Amino acid sequence: EVQLVESGGGLVQPGGSLRLSCAASGFTFSSYDMSWVRQAPGKGLEWISYISTSGIIYYRDSVKGRFTVSRDNAENSLHLQMNSLRAEDTAVYCCARSGYSGSYRLEYWGQGTPVTVSS
Amino acid sequence: DIQMTQSPSSLSASVGDRVTITCRASQTISNYLNWYQQKPGKAPKLLIYAASSLQSGVPSRFSGSGSGTDFTLSISGLQPEDFATYCCQQSYSPPWTFGQGTKVEIK
Repeated sequence: EVQLVESGGGLVQPGGSLRLSCAASGFTFSSYDMSWVRQAPGKGLEWISYISTSGIIYYRDSVKGRFTVSRDNAENSLHLQMNSLRAEDTAVYCCARSGYSGSYRLEYWGQGTPVTVSS
Repeated sequence: DIQMTQSPSSLSASVGDRVTITCRASQTISNYLNWYQQKPGKAPKLLIYAASSLQSGVPSRFSGSGSGTDFTLSISGLQPEDFATYCCQQSYSPPWTFGQGTKVEIK
């Protein structure tokens, strides 16, 4: 069974940093592209980052230069280093696994870890 | 960025009804369109990818159609477990933007 479990969220002051992790199991992690998606309170889903099996990385503009996505295939884990956090980064952050091939799609999702940026 | 606009933002329906949700892209995206179901406190679930391909394990009452800029998600014979929020996502180019969601509520 595919499982994605996020951790590392919490309360942080504006300008602070957090490192989110996503532990993957039930599939060959190194064979799949991975993404981070967030959902602010009362808002819709927002894609924020992607990392392919070969290390191709994309970010949405609002997090470029502040967030860094990485993966550790030996540990079956995905990470999101978030620096210079702002109030508008407050959201539940989910990791998601892409389909094996074909068009981009998010086949499996974790339940998310909440991040609150507030003084 | 490609903007995705869903309509309606919410609807009320009864068990057994046929429901249709629309998603419009701000530019042509061919058939690069996914649909997800989201329930409170649960991880989103992929229903449809490439506009009309049913994800494995998803009931056949769900169907998707469209190409270019206009897409629809249909649920034929709404079931109690289908009351949820549905959102579209373009998979044409990053950032892979989502629609704002359509909440399907019990009438």
